[in-house]
Amino acid sequence: QSVLTQPPSASGTPGQRVIISCSGSSSNIGNNYVYWYQQLPGTAPKLLIYRNNQRPSGVPDRFSGSKSGTSASLAISGLRSEDEADYYCAAWDGRLSGSGVFGGGTKLTVL
Amino acid sequence: QVQLQESGPGLVEPSGTLSLTCAVSGGSISTYYWTWIRQPPGKGLEWIGCISHNGNTNYNPSLRSRVTISVDTSKNEFSLRLRSVTAADTAVYYCARDRSTGAAGTLWFDPWGQGTLVTVSS
Repeated sequence: QSVLTQPPSASGTPGQRVIISCSGSSSNIGNNYVYWYQQLPGTAPKLLIYRNNQRPSGVPDRFSGSKSGTSASLAISGLRSEDEADYYCAAWDGRLSGSGVFGGGTKLTVL
Repeated sequence: QVQLQESGPGLVEPSGTLSLTCAVSGGSISTYYWTWIRQPPGKGLEWIGCISHNGNTNYNPSLRSRVTISVDTSKNEFSLRLRSVTAADTAVYYCARDRSTGAAGTLWFDPWGQGTLVTVSS
C-alpha cells in the first residue's frame, strides 16, 4: 500500500491527451513539492517533472505537471508510442523524522 | 556530468547483510543528498533512505531498524547496509542524487545509477 495513490493503469491513442493523478495528504503533497518519473522497460527511472510543474531540459513540453492541495497530476499531450512506460509520483513526507514516498506507479499503454 | 554506479554482491543469503556502494563520478559528493531506492521485480519504487555529505540521514520508517547509509567523501562514494535480509528484500537497488540543499531530502532525483539486482536466496 503506497502512501501516494495513483491509478494502476492508463491508456490512450496516439495524439490524445492523458492525465495521471496522484493523491496524498497534508504531510506530503500538501506541504512539499511533487516530482514525476518515467520508467521505460528495463531502465532506471528518469526525472520528468520537478517542483510540481518544472521540466528538466530535454523533456518535451508535451509533459506538464500540476498540483492542487493534496493532489497532483501529470498530463501528457500529443501521446506518442514511445510514451508507453510506468510513471511514478514522489514527494517528501514530513511525518515522524521525514521520509520519501512514492506512488504505486501507473502503467501507461498507447493503444 | 555527474554519473553514479552501484556495485556489490548480486546474491545474499537469508538473514545475512546486503552491502552496496555507489560511486559518484564527474562531481563532488560534498553537496546535495544521496539516496538509495529499490524496486522488487515487477513492483513499484520504494525509497530506502538518504544521507547528506556531512552524514545527516533519513530512513524509511519500515526499514529503519535494519538500514544504515554512510558516506565516504574521500572516496566520493556512499554505501547501503541492510541487515537480516529475507526474500522480500530481493530487488533492483538504485542509487541517486537528491538535489536537496536543505535540511532533508526532496525526492528530486537526478541522476540515477543504472541499478543492480540483488537476490536473497540460499
